[in-house]
Amino acid sequence: KQEVTQIPAALSVPEGENLVLNCSFTDSAIYNLQWFRQDPGKGLTSLLLIQSSQREQTSGRLNASLDKSSGRSTLYIAASQPGDSATYLCAVRRGTSYDKVIFGPGTSLSVIP
Amino acid sequence: DVKVTQSSRYLVKRTGEKVFLECVQDMDHENMFWYRQDPGLGLRLIYFSYDVKMKEKGDIPEGYSVSREKKERFSLILESASTNQTSMYLCASSLWRGHEQFFGPGTRLTVL
Repeated sequence: KQEVTQIPAALSVPEGENLVLNCSFTDSAIYNLQWFRQDPGKGLTSLLLIQSSQREQTSGRLNASLDKSSGRSTLYIAASQPGDSATYLCAVRRGTSYDKVIFGPGTSLSVIP
Repeated sequence: DVKVTQSSRYLVKRTGEKVFLECVQDMDHENMFWYRQDPGLGLRLIYFSYDVKMKEKGDIPEGYSVSREKKERFSLILESASTNQTSMYLCASSLWRGHEQFFGPGTRLTVL
């Protein structure tokens, strides 16, 4: 059974720091992995999607990497800003035949001005 | 941009009431999903649909039903609301199986 964990559960950093959020999964047979952000009381906003054949994806100050063999993905945020404060979730998709996504519990990020 | 909308941001209902949560997407996506999100439990899949009039159970379908009469609209129905169904409900859609999911803003439902 696929399990997805995210460490740390919460992170507080000063503005301007580069930071890394971690996502681990137990079954390396994944189809793709997606990173989301969620602001308090809101829905999820898609940040990056990495297919199983890819090693990384970049969007602006965000870079996500995927290492299937070790069961890990990292989300790198460069030059953090207070507006980056949110909960970040990763979600692992097992395949296309059964469209089921396993979500991690999230990392709550606070960027201090 | 993909847009997924949900009929209500906040909803308060009484135990035993029938509750309808509506979700609409405007990008002609094939797949639509209903999740609930609870503290400490994360997001859990209730139902999903691959196509019009098709539905599949997710992890926690008990107490819920769904309807997809049109491609753009996916409704979640609580036949007889109970207090343990108090939660944040999130709708999502994706273009095809395996494609990235796009979420709506969520409906916070309170059942008294």
